[in-house]
Amino acid sequence: DGGITQSPKYLFRKEGQNVTLSCEQNLNHDAMYWYRQDPGQGLRLIYYSQIVNDFQKGDIAEGYSVSREKKESFPLTVTSAQKNPTAFYLCASSIGQEVQPQHFGDGTRLSIL
Amino acid sequence: GQNIDQPTEMTATEGAIVQINCTYQTSGFNGLFWYQQHAGEAPTFLSYNVLDGLEEKGRFSSFLSRSKGYSYLLLKELQMKDSASYLCAVRDSNYQLIWGAGTKLIIKP
Repeated sequence: DGGITQSPKYLFRKEGQNVTLSCEQNLNHDAMYWYRQDPGQGLRLIYYSQIVNDFQKGDIAEGYSVSREKKESFPLTVTSAQKNPTAFYLCASSIGQEVQPQHFGDGTRLSIL
Repeated sequence: GQNIDQPTEMTATEGAIVQINCTYQTSGFNGLFWYQQHAGEAPTFLSYNVLDGLEEKGRFSSFLSRSKGYSYLLLKELQMKDSASYLCAVRDSNYQLIWGAGTKLIIKP
């Protein structure tokens, strides 16, 4: 079955540590997105990529980094510079940026130890 | 600034009808989406409106008025499994999605 796979489902980070969240899709979608979801707030865009080897910052990119070396994969690194990383992280993909809806993975919940 | 408003929480009875409203102020408009999200799970697409009027899809319908910056999601014949958060999102002039905070719908027997 086609879909988006995020791993791990739960992740814990120590102070000063970088962690990487995985996102893989087999939908053959060109565009991929990373969102952060906090209680009582709408989804906020961290980074997005419309094509391999290209990506753009979203509204809250500080403290995060991404890569898009393959069409299927769009990993997100939460760096130690992100001072409030505890959140639910959602990865999404779509056929193209201008052609939606977006399809979402099941999310990764990141917590600080 | 860009803003999307939805009620935080609503309660309804199994078998009844509920309407969830969404008002928006965005820089441009290129469509409005409704998603359903069960707790701890991925949002799933429900409906899309780009022209004024009502779109019906089974028990769910969505309405749009672009002149009023207003949409609603109508859920009929409510079932317990409809207990979830409902997210309204607007695609702006840059084709980015602006998301509301979501409406938590509680269904009571």
